Amino acid sequence: EDQVTQSPEALRLQEGESSSLNCSYTVSGLRGLFWYRQDPGKGPEFLFTLYSAGEEKEKERLKATLTKKESFLHITAPKPEDSATYLCAVQATGNNRKLIWGLGTSLAVNP
Amino acid sequence: NAGVTQTPKFQVLKTGQSMTLQCAQDMNHEYMSWYRQDPGMGLRLIHYSVGAGITDQGEVPNGYNVSRSTTEDFPLRLLSAAPSQTSVYFCASTRQGWGYTFGSGTRLTVV
Repeated sequence: EDQVTQSPEALRLQEGESSSLNCSYTVSGLRGLFWYRQDPGKGPEFLFTLYSAGEEKEKERLKATLTKKESFLHITAPKPEDSATYLCAVQATGNNRKLIWGLGTSLAVNP
Repeated sequence: NAGVTQTPKFQVLKTGQSMTLQCAQDMNHEYMSWYRQDPGMGLRLIHYSVGAGITDQGEVPNGYNVSRSTTEDFPLRLLSAAPSQTSVYFCASTRQGWGYTFGSGTRLTVV
């Protein structure tokens, strides 16, 4: 069964304290892995798409990496405005663009 | 360029009432979908459409209907509201090879 598991469920960091969020996935064939950011009361906001093992993408303090079993979202020197829930989703091959979602990691960055 | 627009933002219904959640996108995306988001359950796909005139069921379709008469609009109809349908509803759209764009959501309470 296709599945996405995110860890930890919640993470509290001090401003400037770098860390990583994990997204483990089980899927028959990977078409793409997506990272989203969701602020309270808002819809998810697209961050990155990764397509193949070894691929990396960066945006400001965020860097996403992908292996054959998991993806990491590295947050370097986070700021309070990085506080949000980060969602991971995978799209399997042949499933008509449907996404399989993880439950997210709630990140709080204290000033 | 407004992206994905959802209306209303908030709604309270009585059990048994029907209503339509509106979703419109101005990006000429062929793929549109409806999700519900509940605490501890993550995002769950209700219905989706790969183009005008084509719709299909997601993982939690019972109690909901959709239609896609134009590329831009994808309304979600609640046939007879039940308390179990209390949730936050998101509409999302995408085109091949790109991340999903989400609307800002509709918070629905059924009493």
